[in-house]
Order: sequence, then C-alpha cells, then structure tokens
Amino acid sequence: EVQLVESGGGLVQPGGSLRLSCAASGFTFTNYGMTWVRQAPGKGLEWVSAISGSDGSTYYADSVRGRFTISRDNSKNTLYLQMDTLRADDTAVYYCAKVVTMNWFDPWGQGTLVTVSS
Amino acid sequence: QSVLTQPPSVSGAPGQRVTISCTGSSSNIGAGYNVHWYQQLPGTAPKLLIYGNINRPSGVPDRFSGSKSGTSASLAITGLQAEDEADYYCQSYDSSLSGYVFGTGTKVTVL
Repeated sequence: EVQLVESGGGLVQPGGSLRLSCAASGFTFTNYGMTWVRQAPGKGLEWVSAISGSDGSTYYADSVRGRFTISRDNSKNTLYLQMDTLRADDTAVYYCAKVVTMNWFDPWGQGTLVTVSS
Repeated sequence: QSVLTQPPSVSGAPGQRVTISCTGSSSNIGAGYNVHWYQQLPGTAPKLLIYGNINRPSGVPDRFSGSKSGTSASLAITGLQAEDEADYYCQSYDSSLSGYVFGTGTKVTVL
C-alpha cells in the first residue's frame, strides 16, 4: 500500500523557519516526482513546490520562490520542504503527494499544520 | 490566486445530476494540458477522483465522469448521493506560470 506521512508542522513566529518531512512507502520512490500542496484555513488548495524523481529538478510557486526549498533523500524515501522567512499567510495545512505520469497527484498524505504567529 | 475558475457551490437532491465547471485559459487547459479532479471530504486530505480529463481510478464509482473542451473542463455527478457532499477541485498545469494550478474549489451540497 502506498503511504505518505508528513511531519514537522507546528507553531513558528513570523520570520522563522521550519522543515517539513514526508516519509514515503509502498512504491519505488526514486521513480516519481513529488509535490507539496497547502491549504490555508477555510480556503482552497494551492500548489507550493515540486521535485522530479530522476534529476531532482525543482519547481516553485511564485508565492514561495526564494523562501522555500524542496529536496528529497532517495536513500531514506523522504521528501522535505525547508521553509524560511515564514509569514502569517504561510499558515496552512501542508500536504505531500506523489506526482503521476500526466501530472496528477495521487495519493496524498494526511497533512501537517503550520501556524505562523507571534 | 487560482487561475482555474469554478463555481463556489452547486447543490442537488439525491438522485439528481450536477455538473461543476472548471474554466481556464490558453496557457493551461486551452494549451492541451490535462485536467484532473479531486474530492475533499470534510476534515480529510484530497483524494484523486478523475485523472487525464476523463479517467476514473479504480474504486471511484462510475457516477463520476469528466470531460474537457477548449479552455474548460467539467465534472459530472449523476445519481447524487449524500456521501458526495464534499469540496471538489480541478487541477492542471500552466505554461505561463511554469507550475501546477488548482481551481477555486466547489462545495457540493446534497439537499
């Protein structure tokens, strides 16, 4: 069974940093791109970042480019999102998901809540 | 902000058919990029509902169907059931943004 489990969320002050992790199991991790998607409280889904499985190419939404860094450790089957210079509008549940062939996301993890507040 | 536009809400009685539109532009849906749909039940993570415009993953009832034409796509739910009450999102790729994009989301209410 394919499973994705996020961790690392919590409360952080504006300007602070946090690193999210997504542990993957049940599939050949290196063969797939991975992505982060967030959802602010009561709002819709927003794509944040993606990383390819093969060459590790990275992609970012304009709202996080220069502040967030996506990475992966294929030896640990783990995806990361380093979030720096956090702002109040980064407050959201962050989901990781596997990127499949024609660029759809399946499955998704259960999400981890990041709250940016003083 | 979302570049794919969906109606905020749709509703229908049990057994009825409802449709959700997803309107994009020439840099995403109109450029030929595929559209995918997700269902998000209250308090849970999104779940893939339709991929590649028209395909249903195994386990998704055939009451759900997708279509695409021009710069828009649609999700149809026939034989609406109480368990279909959820938020629905379309998703594609945008060449101008060089990234993935989601629709604004639609809340389906079963009357």
